[in-house]
Amino acid sequence: AQSVTQPDIHITVSEGASLELRCNYSYGATPYLFWYVQSPGQGLQLLLKYFSGDTLVQGIKGFEAEFKRSQSSFNLRKPSVHWSDAAEYFCAVGPTGTASKLTFGTGTRLQVTL
Amino acid sequence: DSGVTQTPKHLITATGQRVTLRCSPRSGDLSVYWYQQSLDQGLQFLIQYYNGEERAKGNILERFSAQQFPDLHSELNLSSLELGDSALYFCASSVSSGGASDTQYFGPGTRLTVL
Repeated sequence: AQSVTQPDIHITVSEGASLELRCNYSYGATPYLFWYVQSPGQGLQLLLKYFSGDTLVQGIKGFEAEFKRSQSSFNLRKPSVHWSDAAEYFCAVGPTGTASKLTFGTGTRLQVTL
Repeated sequence: DSGVTQTPKHLITATGQRVTLRCSPRSGDLSVYWYQQSLDQGLQFLIQYYNGEERAKGNILERFSAQQFPDLHSELNLSSLELGDSALYFCASSVSSGGASDTQYFGPGTRLTVL
């Protein structure tokens, strides 16, 4: 069964600092990977997705993620964090074939200090 | 704004009651998914409908049911509510029934509180 692990429950960074949020997946074949962001009181917004091809994926709001098959990872990065990036970030795997559902990690809450 | 709408935004009810959550997918999307987000279980897939038919089922309780209507909107019915059903319920929609390019777009959610 597919699964996603986000090892960091909570991360605090200073505004302007770089950010990396970790995501590890477990899946038997090439996964389809997603990062979503949830701002307080809001729904889930898609940041970026990886299906195939270039392993470095660019998303919205200046975020990027790199797929590393050897490490089963899909870490999210941003070179310079803004205070408005404070939110909860979810990594997800799927859907593939007939398995339509997304399997989410437990999320990483990002706090940005000024 | 994802284009997926959910009503109501908030719902407060008592144990044993029944509620209905409503979702309208993005224009042109045929699939609707329901997810539950709770503190102890995280984000869990409940059920998917595609063009009016049930397509996939996840960790959905027997007390819960869903349907998708001809106009493609969907309703999630929760009955015999328990305290543990308190959660944020998300609806998502996608163009087709699943697969690599079928990205799911989420609505703002309905927060259910069972007292």
